[in-house]
Amino acid sequence: NAGVTQTPKFQVLKTGQSMTLQCAQDMNHEYMSWYRQDPGMGLRLIHYSVGAGITDQGEVPNGYNVSRSTTEDFPLRLLSAAPSQTSVYFCASRIDRVGSSYNSPLHFGNGTRLTVT
Amino acid sequence: GQQVMQIPQYQHVQEGEDFTTYCNSSTTLSNIQWYKQRPGGHPVFLIQLVKSGEVKKQKRLTFQFGEAKKNSSLHITATQTTDVGTYFCAAHTGGFKTIFGAGTRLFVKA
Repeated sequence: NAGVTQTPKFQVLKTGQSMTLQCAQDMNHEYMSWYRQDPGMGLRLIHYSVGAGITDQGEVPNGYNVSRSTTEDFPLRLLSAAPSQTSVYFCASRIDRVGSSYNSPLHFGNGTRLTVT
Repeated sequence: GQQVMQIPQYQHVQEGEDFTTYCNSSTTLSNIQWYKQRPGGHPVFLIQLVKSGEVKKQKRLTFQFGEAKKNSSLHITATQTTDVGTYFCAAHTGGFKTIFGAGTRLFVKA
């Protein structure tokens, strides 16, 4: 199994450009999520999905769109990039056990380092 | 929204010294997880605590969950250079979201 795969690894955008960060997992995980990591701020949740066709907002959703058409893929779209979106982006997935009162561990991809000039 | 405070932000230790990072929440948590991120890498799951007052050990690492399930700590005994990285706690209050603390970056001087 490849686990969680993110592409690209690095990306430079100009302000106003759009792009899609790709995330795919081959573990049949229902739950997928996107985080951004900035120095001193830890990992902040952008959007998450509990299954195909279902998405919801996290802590910092503004400026980002997501969709979940399949269990495997969870792309993150930046419609009009801004310098404030310069960050490292991580996709993470987990298996959700039906009826469990606590969440399973997250499996992270290797990240995408995005710079917006 | 739910917030998780983690301290200290960073710590420098001499190899062989102990290290502790603390995680605090204003709300009761259903469980807490700890992750380690090596420099340039991605977060990797270490352990999960579920029960009030729970203590778990992994070799030189000791993890504790508070009696009130609002705080947790990670203690490393006799640090080694391989312990270098950022340690994150991640909290859950029963919903789907996993909320991370800001992390504690550990520097170990040989």
